[in-house]
Amino acid sequence: DGGITQSPKYLFRKEGQNVTLSCEQNLNHDAMYWYRQDPGQGLRLIYYSQIVNDFQKGDIAEGYSVSREKKESFPLTVTSAQKNPTAFYLCASSINSYAGDGYTFGSGTRLTVV
Amino acid sequence: KQEVTQIPAALSVPEGENLVLNCSFTDSAIYNLQWFRQDPGKGLTSLLLIQSSQREQTSGRLNASLDKSSGRSTLYIAASQPGDSATYLCAVYSGGSNYKLTFGKGTLLTVNP
Repeated sequence: DGGITQSPKYLFRKEGQNVTLSCEQNLNHDAMYWYRQDPGQGLRLIYYSQIVNDFQKGDIAEGYSVSREKKESFPLTVTSAQKNPTAFYLCASSINSYAGDGYTFGSGTRLTVV
Repeated sequence: KQEVTQIPAALSVPEGENLVLNCSFTDSAIYNLQWFRQDPGKGLTSLLLIQSSQREQTSGRLNASLDKSSGRSTLYIAASQPGDSATYLCAVYSGGSNYKLTFGKGTLLTVNP
């Protein structure tokens, strides 16, 4: 079955450490997105990519970086510059930027700073 | 800037009751609206997608309506069951130069047996 796979499910980060969250899709979707979810704040867009080798900042990109070298993959790196990284991270994809078929989400990665 | 509001923030009902969740958005220039379900600690599961040209969509016991001109959508759940307990999120896709979904904060639904 087609879908989005996020790994790991749980991730622990030490102070000053960079960590990378994986997102892989086999839906043949052009567009991919990263969202952050915090209690009481809803989902906020970190980065999005409309096509391979292209990506744009979302609403809260500071302290994060991404790459889109393959259509199937859109990894998110949480850098040491992100001051409050503890959150639930969700990856999503859509067939294209116009999202005519809606968005599909992965199962999420919970990141905790220790 | 698009803003999405969901009312109520939380709802508790007895099993078997029919219920309505509300979603409103400030900018009516949308491409589509999507309702999601989220179980605790899990990702989002798409329930219904309504295109801007449509008035409603149905899937099983779920019916979602869209009134784009007034900036409102409702999700109707018939004959609620304890398994329906989850957070329900509404999201609108506005497109243009800002390709993204804008989410509401969700309605936490509890269906009591």
